[in-house]
Amino acid sequence: DSGVTQTPKHLITATGQRVTLRCSPRSGDLSVYWYQQSLDQGLQFLIQYYNGEERAKGNILERFSAQQFPDLHSELNLSSLELGDSALYFCASSVGAREGETQYFGPGTRLLVL
Amino acid sequence: AQSVTQLDSQVPVFEEAPVELRCNYSSSVSVYLFWYVQYPNQGLQLLLKYLSGSTLVKGINGFEAEFNKSQTSFHLRKPSVHISDTAEYFCAVSLSYSGAGSYQLTFGKGTKLSVIP
Repeated sequence: DSGVTQTPKHLITATGQRVTLRCSPRSGDLSVYWYQQSLDQGLQFLIQYYNGEERAKGNILERFSAQQFPDLHSELNLSSLELGDSALYFCASSVGAREGETQYFGPGTRLLVL
Repeated sequence: AQSVTQLDSQVPVFEEAPVELRCNYSSSVSVYLFWYVQYPNQGLQLLLKYLSGSTLVKGINGFEAEFNKSQTSFHLRKPSVHISDTAEYFCAVSLSYSGAGSYQLTFGKGTKLSVIP
C-alpha cells in the first residue's frame, strides 16, 4: 500500500458526460501528479500540482482540468468524454517538488466511456 | 525532450532463470532513471532509481540495474526469478534539474515479464 488513495476504482459513463476523479496523497506529500495509462499511448504525464498551485502540464487535453485543494487532495475533471478517453488514470504523490524524489502511485481509476 | 525505449514488449522466462529487461533513453540534458513494477490490477511501485554515484543500483525484490552513460542504457536484471515476479515493468526518466521545479516521469511502453513454472 503506497498510502495514495484514489476514488472511484472504476467508472463507467457515456460519451459527452463529465466525471471527477479524486486523489488523496500520502500524508505530508505536497506534490500530486496525474498520469493516464492507455493501450495505445502508454503512460503519459498529464499535470502536476504543488501545494495547491499548478506546477507543470503535459499532454492534457483542454477538456480536462485539475485542481489541488487546501487539504492537498486533488481532483481531475474530465468533460465532454469521448471513447478514446477510456483509460486507467493514476495519481502519484511526492514529498515536495525536488529532483530525484520518489513518486508514490495510487491504485488508479479505471474509466470506461461507452 | 526525453524519450524512453523498452526494446522488448514481452519477456517469457523460466522460474529460477536469470532475466534482463532492456531500457534505453534519449535526452539532451542530464536525467535521473527509474524502474517501476506494476502487478495486475495495481498501481506502480518503485523498484529502484539512479540519481548519481555507483552505476550499479540495487533495488527491492532482488532486482538491480546498471546505468551506462555511453550507451544511454539502464537495463534491469535479476539473477533468479520467481513466479511472483510476473508483472509489467516500466523504465522512466525525469530531469535532473528543472528551473520550473517539475520532475514528471517520462515512461517507456513497458515490458511484460512472464515467469514460467
